[in-house]
Amino acid sequence: QSVLTQPPSVSGAPGQKVTISCTGSDSNIGAGYHVHWYQQLPRTAPKLLIYGDYNRPSGVPDRFSGSKSGTSASLAISGLQADDEADYYCQSYDYRLSDWVFGGGTKLSVL
Amino acid sequence: QVQLQESGPGLVKPSETLSLTCSVSGYSISSGFYWGWIRQAPGKGLEWIASIWHSGTTHYNPSLRSRVTISVDTSKNQFSLKMNSVTATDTAVYYCARVDCTNNSCYGASWGQGSLVTVSS
Repeated sequence: QSVLTQPPSVSGAPGQKVTISCTGSDSNIGAGYHVHWYQQLPRTAPKLLIYGDYNRPSGVPDRFSGSKSGTSASLAISGLQADDEADYYCQSYDYRLSDWVFGGGTKLSVL
Repeated sequence: QVQLQESGPGLVKPSETLSLTCSVSGYSISSGFYWGWIRQAPGKGLEWIASIWHSGTTHYNPSLRSRVTISVDTSKNQFSLKMNSVTATDTAVYYCARVDCTNNSCYGASWGQGSLVTVSS
């Protein structure tokens, strides 16, 4: 059971927009701790996609965007492409656990 | 651009010690940043294990703290992970990462390709 809750899967057609949610609590996202997102392509290491709620590292397309409100955060992917098919993970910090916390991951399928 | 490469035995016997090393290129560890280890059990999600500042300050996952040691060797530009008393549940891909932090939360900014460690007799 992950501390941050993500939907197991989402899907969309090429060119469409999808949103992946990440729900936490008042000891992590709700306490104001920043949320970070990773993309894990099949059989590869995770790659940082969004840091500090909405910031993109150099080289990440602006099709990827992050937002946060209350105890939840979201990753939006617009203009879906076939090579966006991957697992996506959110991550934050929890002060009660004194621990990094991850979501369970969301598998994105591009139909 | 910083590159990280994990190395170590791919098979460890139950109750023994898992040892992994991360070699860093393209950046001098002694210049700064945190460095960390994250693992992923087969078919499962990500779990942070430990982080270390270049000066040696450490942070551990509370649930693993009693079994884990992270260390840094600036002369070799490497950092290492030791986990003792391993069981089958420690079977995972172990990733090393350069860790960056915002003003209240840290994250894995650059990752190694990962090293599969299987715990089995």
